[in-house]
Amino acid sequence: DAGVIQSPRHEVTEMGQEVTLRCKPISGHDYLFWYRQTMMRGLELLIYFNNNVPIDDSGMPEDRFSAKMPNASFSTLKIQPSEPRDSAVYFCASSYTSSSYEQYFGPGTRLTVT
Amino acid sequence: AQTVTQSQPEMSVQEAETVTLSCTYDTSESDYYLFWYKQPPSRQMILVIRQEAYKQQNATENRFSVNFQKAAKSFSLKISDSQLGDAAMYFCAYRSAGKSTFGDGTTLTVKP
Repeated sequence: DAGVIQSPRHEVTEMGQEVTLRCKPISGHDYLFWYRQTMMRGLELLIYFNNNVPIDDSGMPEDRFSAKMPNASFSTLKIQPSEPRDSAVYFCASSYTSSSYEQYFGPGTRLTVT
Repeated sequence: AQTVTQSQPEMSVQEAETVTLSCTYDTSESDYYLFWYKQPPSRQMILVIRQEAYKQQNATENRFSVNFQKAAKSFSLKISDSQLGDAAMYFCAYRSAGKSTFGDGTTLTVKP
């Protein structure tokens, strides 16, 4: 398996623009997680899905953030409108159902909002 | 809510020496799992080792081992014979009912 795939790897955009981050989880995994990593706040869980259904979105910063998982092999995280404070590395991770399994992380998307 | 605390923001070790990274957690659950992840400068998160809470035996993976003290809710990582390639940020993580909680990380520097 190719692992968790994220695109784009780098994104630079201007404040106010819409940003869409994409993730393809490992085939067969039924959990998908979106994290944000910054120096100030560390690694934050934004939202996670089980079998394509959002389970906990309490980490989503505000209404400007939205995430979808239309099928088992694809998820998006959208920021509209983007702000400079959204600059961070965004990770997608997937895993099997049992908590005994580790999460497999994608390479991350480095987002810069100017 | 579960919390994970890594009290050492930074640690350093001499090459070939041993270093221990600390982690404590808080939970009221009895069924959970603990993990250590490594994040090198490439920023790719890599699993180092896992521990099942129901197992008393400490997990070991080559030069990496844990000291799991369930009653104290402590889960430290010991790296033996440290190598330059061990330099990275290390995250302690707790997982139960699908969801994971990560600590703030410890940056490990390995001195040649």
